[in-house]
Amino acid sequence: DADVTQTPRNRITKTGKRIMLECSQTKGHDRMYWYRQDPGLGLQLIYYSFDVKDINKGEISDGYSVSRQAQAKFSLSLESAIPNQTALYFCATSDLAGGPDTQYFGPGTRLTVL
Amino acid sequence: SQKIEQNSEALNIQEGKTATLTCNYTNYSPAYLQWYRQDPGRGPVFLLLIRENEKEKRKERLKVTFDTTLKQSLFHITASQPADSATYLCARLTDSWGKLQFGAGTQVVVTP
Repeated sequence: DADVTQTPRNRITKTGKRIMLECSQTKGHDRMYWYRQDPGLGLQLIYYSFDVKDINKGEISDGYSVSRQAQAKFSLSLESAIPNQTALYFCATSDLAGGPDTQYFGPGTRLTVL
Repeated sequence: SQKIEQNSEALNIQEGKTATLTCNYTNYSPAYLQWYRQDPGRGPVFLLLIRENEKEKRKERLKVTFDTTLKQSLFHITASQPADSATYLCARLTDSWGKLQFGAGTQVVVTP
């Protein structure tokens, strides 16, 4: 089984709908991240969490919210989806213990907002 | 603003040749740089890390260099194979908490 899983893998929705993307990990890592990727742009950090009680905004958090339900689960919500939120979304985990912060990515969720 | 830039043009290379990718950054030099591979429809996968006090790092057919004077890292794939075709991302550490800033990636296409 994959260490970092994301659901759904693909989602098409309409403007104004609320959407939740879910991420689960079995790596036992404390740190979790949500990124979006657009063609020609680097991965942009939306939110990150260094433990269950810690949530931080990234560089593009407007229009998004997150919930860290447990060490293994980190959800991203779009409260009212808009077309420019159409992108590929990745969840990642890392664990600083023992060395630099290598990140492990999930397979991604392709979101289309019509 | 702080930038990390990679060549946006795809690199087309013949099997067996060496592919060289460039990653340039502005402002501060990070404690380390990382390189990731991303296949279509998949998440990035970590390949190599090079620290600021290391000139060169190797892993099998991969080699990374880090020049803090030029503010540049080079990523080499030697004896390239069609299976090496993918997009390669560089990333730098942005703070002591371990956050990374990613480049947009360079696509490599290796033809037989």
